[in-house]
Amino acid sequence: GESVGLHLPTLSVQEGDNSIINCAYSNSASDYFIWYKQESGKGPQFIIDIRSNMDKRQGQRVTVLLNKTVKHLSLQIAATQPGDSAVYFCAENIAGGSYIPTFGRGTSLIVHP
Amino acid sequence: DAGVTQSPTHLIKTRGQQVTLRCSPKSGHDTVSWYQQALGQGPQFIFQYYEEEERQRGNFPDRFSGHQYPNYSSELNVNALLLGDSALYLCASSPDRGGEQYFGPGTRLTVT
Repeated sequence: GESVGLHLPTLSVQEGDNSIINCAYSNSASDYFIWYKQESGKGPQFIIDIRSNMDKRQGQRVTVLLNKTVKHLSLQIAATQPGDSAVYFCAENIAGGSYIPTFGRGTSLIVHP
Repeated sequence: DAGVTQSPTHLIKTRGQQVTLRCSPKSGHDTVSWYQQALGQGPQFIFQYYEEEERQRGNFPDRFSGHQYPNYSSELNVNALLLGDSALYLCASSPDRGGEQYFGPGTRLTVT
Protein backbone atom coordinates (compact mmCIF):
# COMPACT_ATOMS: atom_id res chain seq x y z
CA GLY A 1 0.00 0.00 0.00
CA GLU A 2 0.91 3.66 -0.12
CA SER A 3 3.21 4.92 2.58
CA VAL A 4 1.86 8.48 2.38
CA GLY A 5 -1.78 9.18 2.99
CA LEU A 6 -4.10 12.04 3.81
CA HIS A 7 -6.70 12.28 6.54
CA LEU A 8 -9.39 14.17 4.58
CA PRO A 9 -10.17 13.83 0.89
CA THR A 10 -12.06 17.16 0.71
CA LEU A 11 -11.75 20.39 2.69
CA SER A 12 -14.19 23.26 2.21
CA VAL A 13 -13.40 26.70 3.63
CA GLN A 14 -14.60 30.27 3.30
CA GLU A 15 -12.45 32.85 1.59
CA GLY A 16 -10.24 34.55 4.16
CA ASP A 17 -10.18 31.61 6.54
CA ASN A 18 -7.05 29.67 7.34
CA SER A 19 -6.82 26.15 5.89
CA ILE A 20 -5.03 23.19 7.37
CA ILE A 21 -4.34 20.10 5.28
CA ASN A 22 -2.97 17.06 7.06
CA CYS A 23 -0.82 14.18 5.90
CA ALA A 24 0.49 11.01 7.53
CA TYR A 25 3.50 9.04 6.42
CA SER A 26 4.68 5.63 7.50
CA ASN A 27 8.28 5.35 6.26
CA SER A 28 10.61 6.43 9.06
CA ALA A 29 13.48 6.53 6.54
CA SER A 30 11.92 9.52 4.79
CA ASP A 31 13.90 12.68 5.36
CA TYR A 32 12.45 15.15 2.91
CA PHE A 33 8.83 16.17 2.42
CA ILE A 34 7.18 18.29 -0.21
CA TRP A 35 3.75 19.80 -0.64
CA TYR A 36 2.37 20.15 -4.16
CA LYS A 37 -0.66 21.97 -5.52
CA GLN A 38 -2.42 20.58 -8.57
CA GLU A 39 -5.01 22.67 -10.34
CA SER A 40 -7.43 21.18 -12.80
CA GLY A 41 -5.75 20.38 -16.11
CA LYS A 42 -2.26 21.06 -14.82
CA GLY A 43 0.63 19.13 -13.39
CA PRO A 44 1.60 19.34 -9.70
CA GLN A 45 3.26 22.57 -8.67
CA PHE A 46 5.82 22.77 -5.86
CA ILE A 47 4.60 24.81 -2.89
CA ILE A 48 6.99 24.25 -0.03
CA ASP A 49 9.33 21.61 1.31
CA ILE A 50 10.83 20.64 4.63
CA ARG A 51 13.69 18.42 5.71
CA SER A 52 13.52 16.07 8.66
CA ASN A 53 15.96 18.16 10.70
CA MET A 54 13.31 20.90 10.88
CA ASP A 55 9.84 20.95 12.42
CA LYS A 56 8.51 24.12 10.81
CA ARG A 57 9.09 26.08 7.66
CA GLN A 58 7.29 29.17 6.43
CA GLY A 59 6.70 30.49 2.96
CA GLN A 60 4.44 33.12 1.51
CA ARG A 61 1.05 32.50 3.21
CA VAL A 62 1.99 28.85 3.74
CA THR A 63 3.54 27.01 6.64
CA VAL A 64 4.53 23.36 6.81
CA LEU A 65 4.77 21.60 10.15
CA LEU A 66 6.53 18.27 10.61
CA ASN A 67 6.05 16.00 13.59
CA LYS A 68 8.46 13.09 13.22
CA THR A 69 7.31 11.46 16.45
CA VAL A 70 3.89 10.68 15.03
CA LYS A 71 4.96 10.78 11.35
CA HIS A 72 2.63 13.64 10.51
CA LEU A 73 2.94 16.81 8.51
CA SER A 74 0.52 19.59 7.77
CA LEU A 75 0.17 22.47 5.36
CA GLN A 76 -1.33 25.67 6.68
CA ILE A 77 -2.59 28.27 4.23
CA ALA A 78 -3.30 31.69 5.68
CA ALA A 79 -6.13 33.88 4.40
CA THR A 80 -7.25 31.29 1.86
CA GLN A 81 -8.23 32.69 -1.51
CA PRO A 82 -10.39 31.24 -4.32
CA GLY A 83 -7.20 30.76 -6.33
CA ASP A 84 -6.03 28.30 -3.68
CA SER A 85 -8.76 25.86 -4.74
CA ALA A 86 -6.94 22.78 -5.98
CA VAL A 87 -5.84 19.28 -4.96
CA TYR A 88 -2.95 19.29 -2.52
CA PHE A 89 -0.51 16.39 -2.26
CA CYS A 90 2.12 15.66 0.28
CA ALA A 91 5.08 13.64 -0.95
CA GLU A 92 8.00 12.04 0.82
CA ASN A 93 11.51 11.22 -0.26
CA ILE A 94 13.59 8.51 1.32
CA ALA A 95 17.03 9.43 2.64
CA GLY A 96 19.97 8.47 0.48
CA GLY A 97 18.05 8.03 -2.70
CA SER A 98 17.55 10.18 -5.72
CA TYR A 99 14.83 12.76 -5.50
CA ILE A 100 11.85 10.57 -6.37
CA PRO A 101 8.88 11.79 -4.36
CA THR A 102 6.27 9.27 -3.25
CA PHE A 103 2.86 10.91 -3.44
CA GLY A 104 -0.20 10.35 -1.31
CA ARG A 105 -3.76 10.42 -2.60
CA GLY A 106 -4.40 14.16 -2.19
CA THR A 107 -6.87 16.52 -0.53
CA SER A 108 -9.23 18.63 -2.55
CA LEU A 109 -9.42 22.18 -1.15
CA ILE A 110 -12.56 24.11 -2.08
CA VAL A 111 -12.60 27.81 -1.24
CA HIS A 112 -16.01 29.47 -1.19
CA PRO A 113 -16.13 33.21 -1.93
CA ASP B 1 11.53 30.37 -20.96
CA ALA B 2 9.17 27.51 -21.62
CA GLY B 3 8.53 25.11 -18.81
CA VAL B 4 8.07 21.39 -19.25
CA THR B 5 5.99 20.63 -22.32
CA GLN B 6 4.23 17.39 -23.21
CA SER B 7 2.52 16.09 -26.31
CA PRO B 8 -0.09 15.18 -27.18
CA THR B 9 -2.55 16.70 -24.72
CA HIS B 10 -5.10 13.95 -25.13
CA LEU B 11 -4.97 10.53 -26.74
CA ILE B 12 -7.46 7.73 -27.26
CA LYS B 13 -6.20 4.22 -27.97
CA THR B 14 -7.64 0.73 -28.18
CA ARG B 15 -6.64 -2.21 -26.01
CA GLY B 16 -3.57 -3.98 -27.35
CA GLN B 17 -2.25 -0.94 -29.18
CA GLN B 18 0.99 0.86 -28.48
CA VAL B 19 1.43 4.52 -27.57
CA THR B 20 4.31 7.01 -27.43
CA LEU B 21 4.17 10.12 -25.29
CA ARG B 22 6.69 12.95 -25.55
CA CYS B 23 8.24 15.39 -23.12
CA SER B 24 10.55 18.36 -23.47
CA PRO B 25 12.19 19.37 -20.19
CA LYS B 26 12.55 22.85 -18.82
CA SER B 27 15.56 24.68 -20.21
CA GLY B 28 18.69 23.77 -18.28
CA HIS B 29 17.27 20.50 -16.93
CA ASP B 30 18.89 17.20 -17.80
CA THR B 31 16.85 14.72 -15.76
CA VAL B 32 13.39 13.57 -16.76
CA SER B 33 10.97 11.49 -14.70
CA TRP B 34 7.64 10.00 -15.75
CA TYR B 35 4.59 9.47 -13.55
CA GLN B 36 1.20 7.86 -13.98
CA GLN B 37 -1.73 9.54 -12.26
CA ALA B 38 -4.99 7.63 -12.11
CA LEU B 39 -8.16 9.60 -11.50
CA GLY B 40 -8.42 10.67 -7.88
CA GLN B 41 -4.95 9.38 -7.03
CA GLY B 42 -1.51 10.86 -6.57
CA PRO B 43 1.15 10.47 -9.25
CA GLN B 44 2.98 7.13 -9.24
CA PHE B 45 6.61 7.05 -10.31
CA ILE B 46 7.32 5.07 -13.49
CA PHE B 47 11.01 5.75 -14.19
CA GLN B 48 13.68 8.42 -14.37
CA TYR B 49 16.15 9.17 -17.16
CA TYR B 50 19.50 10.83 -16.77
CA GLU B 51 22.30 10.99 -19.34
CA GLU B 52 20.13 8.98 -21.75
CA GLU B 53 19.89 6.04 -19.35
CA GLU B 54 17.13 4.74 -17.15
CA ARG B 55 18.48 5.34 -13.66
CA GLN B 56 15.55 4.36 -11.46
CA ARG B 57 12.33 2.52 -12.03
CA GLY B 58 9.12 2.22 -10.09
CA ASN B 59 6.81 -0.76 -9.85
CA PHE B 60 5.67 -0.86 -13.47
CA PRO B 61 5.83 -3.77 -15.93
CA ASP B 62 8.20 -3.99 -18.87
CA ARG B 63 5.39 -2.85 -21.16
CA PHE B 64 6.41 0.61 -20.00
CA SER B 65 9.66 1.74 -21.57
CA GLY B 66 11.31 5.02 -22.31
CA HIS B 67 14.06 6.89 -24.00
CA GLN B 68 16.00 10.08 -23.50
CA TYR B 69 17.64 11.92 -26.35
CA PRO B 70 20.88 13.94 -26.32
CA ASN B 71 18.85 17.15 -26.10
CA TYR B 72 17.32 15.73 -22.87
CA SER B 73 13.83 15.32 -24.32
CA SER B 74 12.18 12.03 -23.49
CA GLU B 75 9.59 9.54 -24.65
CA LEU B 76 7.38 7.14 -22.75
CA ASN B 77 6.26 4.06 -24.66
CA VAL B 78 3.53 1.70 -23.50
CA ASN B 79 2.94 -1.55 -25.36
CA ALA B 80 -0.06 -3.87 -25.31
CA LEU B 81 -2.30 -1.26 -23.75
CA LEU B 82 -4.77 -2.31 -21.07
CA LEU B 83 -7.90 -0.52 -19.94
CA GLY B 84 -6.12 0.11 -16.63
CA ASP B 85 -3.47 2.16 -18.40
CA SER B 86 -5.99 4.95 -18.79
CA ALA B 87 -4.55 7.81 -16.77
CA LEU B 88 -2.84 11.18 -16.86
CA TYR B 89 0.84 10.72 -17.68
CA LEU B 90 3.07 13.39 -16.20
CA CYS B 91 6.60 14.28 -17.10
CA ALA B 92 8.81 16.13 -14.63
CA SER B 93 12.26 17.57 -15.19
CA SER B 94 14.94 18.66 -12.77
CA PRO B 95 18.40 20.22 -13.09
CA ASP B 96 19.93 17.07 -11.68
CA ARG B 97 18.73 13.90 -9.98
CA GLY B 98 18.58 15.61 -6.65
CA GLY B 99 16.86 18.80 -7.70
CA GLU B 100 13.31 20.06 -7.41
CA GLN B 101 11.06 18.60 -10.08
CA TYR B 102 8.98 20.76 -12.41
CA PHE B 103 5.93 19.03 -13.84
CA GLY B 104 4.39 19.37 -17.25
CA PRO B 105 0.61 19.55 -17.82
CA GLY B 106 0.42 15.87 -18.66
CA THR B 107 -1.02 13.71 -21.42
CA ARG B 108 -4.47 12.28 -20.83
CA LEU B 109 -4.52 8.71 -22.20
CA THR B 110 -7.82 6.89 -22.58
CA VAL B 111 -7.77 3.20 -23.50
CA THR B 112 -11.04 1.79 -24.82
